[in-house]
Amino acid sequence: DAGVIQSPRHEVTEMGQEVTLRCKPISGHNSLFWYRQTMMRGLELLIYFNNNVPIDDSGMPEDRFSAKMPNASFSTLKIQPSEPRDSAVYFCASSLWGARGTGELFFGEGSRLTVL
Amino acid sequence: DAKTTQPTSMDCAEGRAANLPCNHSTISGNEYVYWYRQIHSQGPQYIIHGLKNNETNEMASLIITEDRKSSTLILPHATLRDTAVYYCIVRVEGGANNLFFGTGTRLTVIP
Repeated sequence: DAGVIQSPRHEVTEMGQEVTLRCKPISGHNSLFWYRQTMMRGLELLIYFNNNVPIDDSGMPEDRFSAKMPNASFSTLKIQPSEPRDSAVYFCASSLWGARGTGELFFGEGSRLTVL
Repeated sequence: DAKTTQPTSMDCAEGRAANLPCNHSTISGNEYVYWYRQIHSQGPQYIIHGLKNNETNEMASLIITEDRKSSTLILPHATLRDTAVYYCIVRVEGGANNLFFGTGTRLTVIP
């Protein structure tokens, strides 16, 4: 069974460009999380969805960041316009929430973003 | 708000048991203790979780004190591949709340 799939694995772009990161959660999972990891700040939760609905986006840095989950099998994290300080590894994770779930998060391999 | 505190780093000799402590003095009655680890450049990986009883699986053992204010993750026979950052987290099992990762403990297994 495939795990959480993220694309692209690596992205190098120039300041001001739009960046779109994609995530396919594990089939059957109903929670999806976007995290960002940097050396300075560690692993930060940006936003999470339950049943495709955004529940908490308080971790989103600013209006340049937006996330969508149009259906249970796909989510995007968009940065527009991108800035050098957005350079980080972005992780997507999914989980089964509710009585049947143990709360274990399954992480993808991450998307390494470099903004020049 | 950090709900757990862990040592920044630890070393362990290969083949010996690695004991990683975690303090969670403000844990609520319905919150579980979860452990994850992150090997360099990979996404975090679930290890184990528990409420108040000790737990064991193929990867590790989790010992939770009776007052639930602290716990210890035990890797019984550490290998070089266990070198990673280990995160201790508290949350409601299966709950809709997020998982907050602190700074974790960087475990280095020494040959």
